[in-house]
Amino acid sequence: NAGVMQNPRHLVRRRGQEARLRCSPMKGHSHVYWYRQLPEEGLKFMVYLQKENIIDESGMPKERFSAEFPKEGPSILRIQQVVRGDSAAYFCASSPFTENTEAFFGQGTRLTVV
Amino acid sequence: GENVEQHPSTLSVQEGDSAVIKCTYSDSASNYFPWYKQELGKRPQLIIDIRSNVGEKKDQRIAVTLNKTAKHFSLHITETQPEDSAVYFCAASSRTGANNLFFGTGTRLTVIP
Repeated sequence: NAGVMQNPRHLVRRRGQEARLRCSPMKGHSHVYWYRQLPEEGLKFMVYLQKENIIDESGMPKERFSAEFPKEGPSILRIQQVVRGDSAAYFCASSPFTENTEAFFGQGTRLTVV
Repeated sequence: GENVEQHPSTLSVQEGDSAVIKCTYSDSASNYFPWYKQELGKRPQLIIDIRSNVGEKKDQRIAVTLNKTAKHFSLHITETQPEDSAVYFCAASSRTGANNLFFGTGTRLTVIP
């Protein structure tokens, strides 16, 4: 089991461009969670998805950010028209169920907006 | 939503001493409280967790206590070693799922050899 895979590990975008972050959950995991970590801060919950469904997006900014977890393929976190304040590490975690199981984190994608 | 506060923000201890990190939470519906260790530039890794039907849990040198009435939980590391140096985060679950976690702001632990 390869673990939670995120790519790219590092992503540099100019202001106004789009950023697409990918997360492949562990095999057998159907629950995916995205978190954002600003430098020297804790992780902030963004969105929780199951296959083809957004379960909780209460932590997601209302504009420019979207997430999906299609039936086939990885989960995608998409940030449109990036701004400098979007620079952060974005972590994805997955679990087989939502209750009573550990969530495993990926290595993260470090987004730098220049 | 849930609000998790964590103290202290930095902690230095001599090798072999104990380290204690404390967290409080606001939502009485939270029922899962994991602790993560994060080394510089790496992913958070779960070190121990506790559920609301248990008051204390221990795993070798690491223990966690939970007081649901007071809404606080603590991490205790005994016989600290230099490799324990890292940032530690507490977290509490949300109402929508055990793994929708609200994290504390972290404690940077330094173990001095």
